[in-house]
Amino acid sequence: GDSVTQTEGLVTLTEGLPVMLNCTYQTIYSNPFLFWYVQHLNESPRLLLKSFTDNKRTEHQGFHATLHKSSSSFHLQKSSAQLSDSALYYCALSETGSNYQLIWGSGTKLIIKP
Amino acid sequence: NAGVIQTPRHKVTGKGQEATLWCEPISGHSAVFWYRQTIVQGLEFLTYFRNQAPIDDSGMPKERFSAQMPNQSHSTLKIQSTQPQDSAVYLCASSLAGLGPYEQYFGPGTRLTVL
Repeated sequence: GDSVTQTEGLVTLTEGLPVMLNCTYQTIYSNPFLFWYVQHLNESPRLLLKSFTDNKRTEHQGFHATLHKSSSSFHLQKSSAQLSDSALYYCALSETGSNYQLIWGSGTKLIIKP
Repeated sequence: NAGVIQTPRHKVTGKGQEATLWCEPISGHSAVFWYRQTIVQGLEFLTYFRNQAPIDDSGMPKERFSAQMPNQSHSTLKIQSTQPQDSAVYLCASSLAGLGPYEQYFGPGTRLTVL
């Protein structure tokens, strides 16, 4: 079945350094939708960005990601980490015309230190 | 738009007691999802309704857990004979359902503690 892999469970960075959180996926469908959700402490997950267009960069709130169907990847990046970026980040997959469920990765906890 | 509403926000039960969790989706959203979140297991899908009909309950523990959506404005998750391992944050999310897929909007969650 479909799956999403986030290889890093925990990423610790110093403020100002670039952020890259990995997300790869497996699906039998040719038109996947990929999502990044962010969950701050004591809050619920909320959408950070999404994409379904191959090789097109999507940006929101300083973060960006590009869906690469050739490598089944949708890595999340930011050029300069801020303390407020500390949160749990989930990558998720869905498919057009599917039953609208999201297949979730295991999440990456990002800690930004001063 | 009040967002997804979940009640209660916190619930403490004794082992063996029943717990009922409520969710009111965003008006106009016809897909409702239930998740369970723990530090150890992360975000786990439980069940999903579309237009009030149960679509997928593959994540629901077969015993003791049940979910219903009697009308378009609320869904309930019931846990019978609660056990300490049921302690978690239970999240409800809703989304549009159409040509999608669409963003899921999460409620604040219900923190269930089973003593």
